[in-house]
Amino acid sequence: GQQLNQSPQSMFIQEGEDVSMNCTSSSIFNTWLWYKQDPGEGPVLLIALYKAGELTSNGRLTAQFGITRKDSFLNISASIPSDVGIYFCAGPGNTGNQFYFGTGTSLTVIP
Amino acid sequence: DAGITQSPRHKVTETGTPVTLRCHQTENHRYMYWYRQDPGHGLRLIHYSYGVKDTDKGEVSDGYSVSRSKTEDFLLTLESATSSQTSVYFCAISQTDYEQYFGPGTRLTVT
Repeated sequence: GQQLNQSPQSMFIQEGEDVSMNCTSSSIFNTWLWYKQDPGEGPVLLIALYKAGELTSNGRLTAQFGITRKDSFLNISASIPSDVGIYFCAGPGNTGNQFYFGTGTSLTVIP
Repeated sequence: DAGITQSPRHKVTETGTPVTLRCHQTENHRYMYWYRQDPGHGLRLIHYSYGVKDTDKGEVSDGYSVSRSKTEDFLLTLESATSSQTSVYFCAISQTDYEQYFGPGTRLTVT
């Protein structure tokens, strides 16, 4: 399967700080998705990106589709305690409906 | 929230027994997916369906089978459960090819 590498693996930040994480793939994706998973629940879709270079915002979240189409970035501004969770990137394979997920970035916000 | 339920939510079973997990949606979405989530591996696609009776294999399909006889139900069967199939299983649905919405998950333990 395709490899999606997320960095960092984990982050510990103070409430109010900005957060940045990224995801790189071993091949080109035409779509990038970002999900958040709270403990004991399923992932929830945050942002979908469809164009190289595209930047999309959802409240305090901003995601960008890298120019090479092999990477994507997620930024969270002014973090709050409810931002705690695991953030996953995902992208479709080139055939059928195969979806590949990164291994996640775990975010802890310290009040 | 997308109307997706999974049953059971928790199950403990013995090695060698068959197990069936159910995913039910009320959204009339075309695509349905089964993933497993394991530490260090993120979410991996087991099988997916693109319509009633239309299914295909994902990245980790060995030891699993699926069936979809109605739009709203997608069943995942472990033909003979093994300890390596201890995992959290998530169902997802989507109307388009890309934006997937996840159920709450089923925690399966094979002893």
